[in-house]
Amino acid sequence: DIVVTQSPDSLAVSLGERATINCKSSQSVLYSSNNKNYLAWYQHKPGQPPKLLIYWASTRQSGVPDRFRGSGSGTDFTLTISSLQAEDVATYYCQQYYNSPFTFGPGTKVDIK
Amino acid sequence: QGQLVESGGGVVQPGRSLRLSCAASGFTFSNYGMHWVRQAPGKGLQWVAFIGTTKNYGDSVRGRFTISRDNSENTVYLQMNSLRPEDTALYFCAKDHGGTGQAFDIWGQGTMVTVSS
Repeated sequence: DIVVTQSPDSLAVSLGERATINCKSSQSVLYSSNNKNYLAWYQHKPGQPPKLLIYWASTRQSGVPDRFRGSGSGTDFTLTISSLQAEDVATYYCQQYYNSPFTFGPGTKVDIK
Repeated sequence: QGQLVESGGGVVQPGRSLRLSCAASGFTFSNYGMHWVRQAPGKGLQWVAFIGTTKNYGDSVRGRFTISRDNSENTVYLQMNSLRPEDTALYFCAKDHGGTGQAFDIWGQGTMVTVSS
């Protein structure tokens, strides 16, 4: 099974400042046949279902603000929130869908400093 | 845009069974894979099962849970047998972005399953 890890476990950022979350997979999730990274990012707020933010490691889902940016390839990925807004307080998960089981990272909780 | 509505959760004793349902609307259901994902109290997200051209299961539920779908009813099911206290969680169904196992682009609100004597 592919193990997905995230860092940090939590972070507090001032409004308008940058938040950076790292995600690492235990093996590459890059398919050489189509040059796509099978990695997604989700935002999860209490009492709500998770929301897809980014897929193929860097493609923003429709309607997601452009302050959310996904980057990376192979085994190392990053989610960047360029200017943190109050509504961005949530737990963020990365997930690999390269192989079953489609494992999630443990989550990173983002708060306002 | 699409909507998913789960049902069937409840309180059940260890060793018993429960069947969850997830009704889909707003998209061509038969064209997409579907997943079940769960979140135990205070824990993170855990993928449970997928149905598309194949069926796949997480290690902790394989052999006990069965995923199925009825395309005529636009519904996906999760039959859960031999339930354990550690299966206690909020169960979400989610739509696959494609048909073969991709990102999960639509999620339901979830249905709570509590396994307790």
